[in-house]
Amino acid sequence: QSALTQPPSASGSPGQSVTISCTGTSSDVGDYDSVSWYRQLPGKAPKLMIYEVSERPSGVPDRFSGSKSGNTASLTVSGLQAEDEAAYYCSSYAGSNTWVFGGGTKLTVL
Amino acid sequence: QVQLVQSGAEVKKPGASVKVSCKASGYTFTGYSLHWVRQAPGQGLEWMGRINPDSGYTKYAQKFQGRVTVTRDTSISTAYMDLTRLTSDDTVIYYCAREKPGATHAFDLWGQGTMVTVSS
Repeated sequence: QSALTQPPSASGSPGQSVTISCTGTSSDVGDYDSVSWYRQLPGKAPKLMIYEVSERPSGVPDRFSGSKSGNTASLTVSGLQAEDEAAYYCSSYAGSNTWVFGGGTKLTVL
Repeated sequence: QVQLVQSGAEVKKPGASVKVSCKASGYTFTGYSLHWVRQAPGQGLEWMGRINPDSGYTKYAQKFQGRVTVTRDTSISTAYMDLTRLTSDDTVIYYCAREKPGATHAFDLWGQGTMVTVSS
């Protein structure tokens, strides 16, 4: 179970859109529509932002959207705001009751 | 209030074991699987294993097989993660997380985290 691959950092100016990628394999991201995304502020627990590739939990702004193509999933944050600055992690179901996370991407709002 | 509350920070010697608890409240404990995820300071998240609190069924990441045991006590809505043969690499924050129902394979509720420090 290798970790999913995310870029270590991403950035954008307020109002812009930023997309973070999450690359796995045909055994995890490519095989299941079970990719989720989490936001983590310093010193805090992760918070679910997207599940099942593109579904938003109640209370998550529609500025956050997800998609998937083949073995790569993506999180797009539109209309960047200062409070979006955080670490973002992807996760995928990997079959046989196992899960795998990405290494995380630090999003900076310039 | 729907929440997961974990036990406090621990300091352990190399070779020792640690048991972290995760108490659920505000929802039916046996209705949702619970997972354990860990995070080294400044590093990414790592999935360790899960338990179905209703059946007791467990599944662990291959990396932790033989070293981790997850149990539960339904009478007090609490899950436990026991990690043995600790090394300095186990100096991380351990989180419990509830699996969102409906086969979403996502984690919609997290504990506050428990810092475990392994030091001689």
